[in-house]
Amino acid sequence: DSGVTQTPKHLITATGQRVTLRCSPRSGDLSVYWYQQSLDQGLQFLIHYYNGEERAKGNILERFSAQQFPDLHSELNLSSLELGDSALYFCASSVGQGRNEQYFGPGTRLTVT
Amino acid sequence: QQQVKQSPQSLIVQKGGISIINCAYENTAFDYFPWYQQFPGKGPALLIAIRPDVSEKKEGRFTISFNKSAKQFSLHIMDSQPGDSATYFCAASRWASGTYKYIFGTGTRLKVLA
Repeated sequence: DSGVTQTPKHLITATGQRVTLRCSPRSGDLSVYWYQQSLDQGLQFLIHYYNGEERAKGNILERFSAQQFPDLHSELNLSSLELGDSALYFCASSVGQGRNEQYFGPGTRLTVT
Repeated sequence: QQQVKQSPQSLIVQKGGISIINCAYENTAFDYFPWYQQFPGKGPALLIAIRPDVSEKKEGRFTISFNKSAKQFSLHIMDSQPGDSATYFCAASRWASGTYKYIFGTGTRLKVLA
């Protein structure tokens, strides 16, 4: 158990809908990273937040957004969902400054029908 | 320059054998090289990691070999067990523009036969 929690575990929704994925980092970690893992694909970096501030964006669609709250949990919002958005979404947390190690949560499996 | 190339895509090893997975990178600015193990339906778990100031790191049955001049690193799993059957990802990381950039390999699906 990495100490990173994600909810929900599974999510099934229809095209055009909007969903919110939630992540709680390990105790003491200030950084949260979001990744997308499609079938047979590697991990694609979406976005990084550090202590409430956006630090970097990767291959994140404009339909997707994220935020990190004062208690350091983070939410990834996916809107106008398309079939191709079906994937595993992982968050990872790290201490932040000076330490690279990232610890992944169990993921949320999103299925868009 | 941002790619990490991982091979093989899949690997079948007999129980007790040695599993070897290779990764190559291009950007010499990377300074942290972790390996992750992922079981079906689970998140990637940090297995072992190395920094470029050492050529080898061993933790139990898992060893990372690092060749800085060749820009390659590999994971060796000694005495492979059926419980090691999982997908393994290598990654390379560096600090840039206020974030630790992680580039992941495409994964190796390992199956260890009993």
